Amino acid sequence: DAGVTQSPTHLIKTRGQHVTLRCSPISGHKSVSWYQQVLGQGPQFIFQYYEKEERGRGNFPDRFSARQFPNYSSELNVNALLLGDSALYLCASSRQSLATNEKLFFGSGTQLSVL
Amino acid sequence: SQQGEEDPQALSIQEGENATMNCSYKTSINNLQWYRQNSGRGLVHLILIRSNEREKHSGRLRVTLDTSKKSSSLLITASRAADTASYFCATDPRETYSGGGADGLTFGKGTHLIIQP
Repeated sequence: DAGVTQSPTHLIKTRGQHVTLRCSPISGHKSVSWYQQVLGQGPQFIFQYYEKEERGRGNFPDRFSARQFPNYSSELNVNALLLGDSALYLCASSRQSLATNEKLFFGSGTQLSVL
Repeated sequence: SQQGEEDPQALSIQEGENATMNCSYKTSINNLQWYRQNSGRGLVHLILIRSNEREKHSGRLRVTLDTSKKSSSLLITASRAADTASYFCATDPRETYSGGGADGLTFGKGTHLIIQP
């Protein structure tokens, strides 16, 4: 079975631009979460979606938005990019929401560089 | 903000030795998980321990949880070169769920483990 897939793997943007990152969860998984990992730090939670509804949001500005589609895939959108948005963006899926003691399955991430 | 803090930040040992990493956290938790990350790419889940459990084993891994001290430890026995990676603890920072939703995991900054051949 395919794992969590993310696209693109690498992306270079300039300040002020907009970016869309995509994620396909493991088949049968209904929950998708997004994390941002800055170099040298642990991942920081951005969003969780379960059954196409937002179930949690981390401490990120409104420039960050996401959605989950009927096939459970997800998009993360970031508007008005700042240099500080440069990071590895990780998508993770789980069968159910985290409320059921679920472990996360991570994709390989999208490395975003903002110049 | 990051709740968990791993200790040490970096650890270098010889192949075959045991490696111990510690994690401290601040709030009540539902469970604590350990993940491994190779070369800054995707994380791999290692083990989950619930708040009502004190110790758990999986292969060469042993995890302990002390909720009174808000701390956990990960022991890797008989280390191998392939164990070289960054290790993160992650907490699910809520004791109970009211059914209204779930937040994400809160990760620490990680311990970078190097196994010398």
